[in-house]
Amino acid sequence: KAGVTQTPRYLIKTRGQQVTLSCSPISGHRSVSWYQQTPGQGLQFLFEYFSETQRNKGNFPGRFSGRQFSNSRSEMNVSTLELGDSALYLCASSLVGSADLNTEAFFGQGTRLTVV
Amino acid sequence: GIQVEQSPPDLILQEGANSTLRCNFSDSVNNLQWFHQNPWGQLINLFYIPSGTKQNGRLSATTVATERYSLLYISSSQTTDSGVYFCAASPQGAQKLVFGQGTRLTINP
Repeated sequence: KAGVTQTPRYLIKTRGQQVTLSCSPISGHRSVSWYQQTPGQGLQFLFEYFSETQRNKGNFPGRFSGRQFSNSRSEMNVSTLELGDSALYLCASSLVGSADLNTEAFFGQGTRLTVV
Repeated sequence: GIQVEQSPPDLILQEGANSTLRCNFSDSVNNLQWFHQNPWGQLINLFYIPSGTKQNGRLSATTVATERYSLLYISSSQTTDSGVYFCAASPQGAQKLVFGQGTRLTINP
């Protein structure tokens, strides 16, 4: 069974540009979450999607957005990149989508974004 | 929101030693997971343990939900156990993980 797949693995962008990252969850998983990891702030939750709807959102500016497709694949977009957006972006998928029942989350290998 | 604290932040041990990593959380949780982050950044699942005790080889974990803490035990440490260990918890009613700051474990030969 394939795991969570994130593309691309590495990305270098210029300040002011925008970027789109992709995440394919484990087959059958309908909940997809995104996290940002930086040395200063650690691992922080960005947002979570279930059935193409954003259900939870972290404390990030509106430049960070995402979406989920009918096949549960998800993309996140960062517009007007800043140097501080350089980070490892991790995607996680979970089997059950009920808000009252959390199930085990599995992570992809991440996309390492460098903004210059 | 929920707070997750891990201790110690750093742990240096000799190969063969045992170690205990602690995770405290500030509120009731629906999910508690332990991860090991590999050198390439991927989070490797160790335990999904909202409550109770589980064992997997040299690793075991215990979560006491009523007292809001979880422990990860590593016995007979090997150099390959080195790395950063994260604890993460999901608050009730939200499918998201709140991570601790991690424990950096270094096992010397």
